[in-house]
Amino acid sequence: NAGVTQTPKFRILKIGQSMTLQCTQDMNHNYMYWYRQDPGMGLKLIYYSVGAGITDKGEVPNGYNVSRSTTEDFPLRLELAAPSQTSVYFCASSYSGKQETQYFGPGTRLLVL
Amino acid sequence: AQSVTQLGSHVSVSEGALVLLRCNYSSSVPPYLFWYVQYPNQGLQLLLKYTSAATLVKGINGFEAEFKKSETSFHLTKPSAHMSDAAEYFCAVSDRPNTPLVFGKGTRLSVIA
Repeated sequence: NAGVTQTPKFRILKIGQSMTLQCTQDMNHNYMYWYRQDPGMGLKLIYYSVGAGITDKGEVPNGYNVSRSTTEDFPLRLELAAPSQTSVYFCASSYSGKQETQYFGPGTRLLVL
Repeated sequence: AQSVTQLGSHVSVSEGALVLLRCNYSSSVPPYLFWYVQYPNQGLQLLLKYTSAATLVKGINGFEAEFKKSETSFHLTKPSAHMSDAAEYFCAVSDRPNTPLVFGKGTRLSVIA
């Protein structure tokens, strides 16, 4: 049982490039989330999904896109990378929303130059 | 809207001393409350959670937290700090079904030998 896995671990992008951050969970969780973490700012929710085919915006969705075609996978797409997207990105999953524990992946560190 | 305030972005304690990390929440309905810990270069993992069963909640690694409705607080404590407790700690709240957690900005705990 691998839990939540994320790839890549680290990536450097040039301004204007695009990339997809991968996230997979093997716990059959309905809910999945993408957060970004910036120093001293805590975690900010980018997008979340309550099940396959259903996604919703979080607090900071601009510049990102997501899709959820399967229960297991929840990729995050950056279309036109900007320096403001330099951050550490975490994917998480849970059985449902309100009181369930969220399980986090190890994170992807992204540097946009 | 729900929100979380963590007092003190950095707390430093001596090994063996009491650890007290403060968390206050804002919610219009009874909330679910969580403490997560993040060790360097890792994702977040659950320390403990309050889901209305008991106001004093015991978690992993000797940590506990007490829900105080009158003070809208959920402070995290540990009687005796260990060097391995050095990490960043996040308080989070959820008060509505099917909505993601709202995280505080985090408190970095340093333990001095």
